[in-house]
Amino acid sequence: GAVVSQHPSRVICKSGTSVKIECRSLDFQATTMFWYRQFPKKSLMLMATSNEGSKATYEQGVEKDKFLINHASLTLSTLTVTSAHPEDSSFYICSASWGGWGNTEAFFGQGTRLTVV
Amino acid sequence: GIQVEQSPPDLILQEGANSTLRCNFSDSVNNLQWFHQNPWGQLINLFYIPSGTKQNGRLSATTVATERYSLLYISSSQTTDSGVYFCAVELYTGTASKLTFGTGTRLQVTL
Repeated sequence: GAVVSQHPSRVICKSGTSVKIECRSLDFQATTMFWYRQFPKKSLMLMATSNEGSKATYEQGVEKDKFLINHASLTLSTLTVTSAHPEDSSFYICSASWGGWGNTEAFFGQGTRLTVV
Repeated sequence: GIQVEQSPPDLILQEGANSTLRCNFSDSVNNLQWFHQNPWGQLINLFYIPSGTKQNGRLSATTVATERYSLLYISSSQTTDSGVYFCAVELYTGTASKLTFGTGTRLQVTL
């Protein structure tokens, strides 16, 4: 299967600082990348969808200015948590897919566990 | 939005037992995937199955799109099967394609 690499796997930051998480598709060109958030013992919640070269589409209730998403190339998308606070602590996971709408298989990164202290 | 419910929410099995996990969805979908999330959080693709039946070793899956459900069968379970199993449905809205995850089934396989 296709390989998606997410970095870092774990990060601890101080309240008020910003953290950048990278998501790379290693062996395919990802036309679309997705960012999810997962709370303990809960399902994955879609935060935003990003397409290469265009602005990300955010889900209702997700703050665009808090969670900045950039999809600069077909193999890289980044999520920046700006001015992080303890309530932003969570597990963040990216996924990438290619192909046309309604006919794509998504592959996931390893996830990033963010702790804001 | 579309609702995706999985059952049972929790399942404890003895090693060697078989099990069936169910995924119900509230609307027509373009595709469906099954994933296994291991204890470290990694999501592992199990099946990409918009309809029909597929098998991979001890695992198999069936999706009946017209009745809006999918089943994941695990046979001869092993301790390494422990973790959370998610189904996720893909819905094309006309401007975007979204993957919505189910509520998950937490499986524990004991010796």
